[in-house]
Amino acid sequence: SYVLTQSPSVSVAPGQTASITCGGANNGYNSIHWYQQKPGQAPLLVVYDYLERPSGIPERFSGSYSGNTATLTIGRVEVGDEADYYCQMWDSTTNHRIFGGGTKLTVL
Amino acid sequence: EVQLVESGGGLVHPGGSRRISCAAAGIPFSSDTMAWVRQAPGKGLEWVSSISGTGMNTYYADFVRGRFTVSRDNSKNTLFLQMTSLRGEDTAIYYCAKEERNWNVLTMPDWGQGTLVTVSS
Repeated sequence: SYVLTQSPSVSVAPGQTASITCGGANNGYNSIHWYQQKPGQAPLLVVYDYLERPSGIPERFSGSYSGNTATLTIGRVEVGDEADYYCQMWDSTTNHRIFGGGTKLTVL
Repeated sequence: EVQLVESGGGLVHPGGSRRISCAAAGIPFSSDTMAWVRQAPGKGLEWVSSISGTGMNTYYADFVRGRFTVSRDNSKNTLFLQMTSLRGEDTAIYYCAKEERNWNVLTMPDWGQGTLVTVSS
């Protein structure tokens, strides 16, 4: 079964760029999606299918992938971007939905 | 506007059972695959179960091991999760989410606010 691996934490200063990675994405076959979760709130889909943005999500949020790793990039980081970020995929062979362990983004 | 409202959480003794619900509005519920995702205190998101729009197909995480049953009542736009043999490690906020799938792209674009289930003596 798949395991999605994320670094526990990332810190960045306001106005800088944050990169959050998700390993184990199986060379691009299984699409990866990203969720933002602020304290006390439900998760919010911010990027899907590696690099697509749902309506209403700022262009500062972008996604990419290379080989076995997907990356969520947040440009011009704001204090309001401080949150936990989770990657997610669907394993079509088992029909399991898989989440990464999450990365806590701290805006210094 | 999509609205998903969970209910039924509370304190349960170890070994006990609990049924939680999710009332949906603003979506064509009977054609939507729905999911339960949980989050233990201070921990990450963990997928629990999903059910197809008709209810014919159900899927479970390995840790469920026959203890949980997902179901739905499309006439009432309501999703259920029946949990039995509950353990302390099942303590979590349980979210319901609407799934969307297009080829190999399966996302959860809509979520409820969750209901807390606490398993403790």
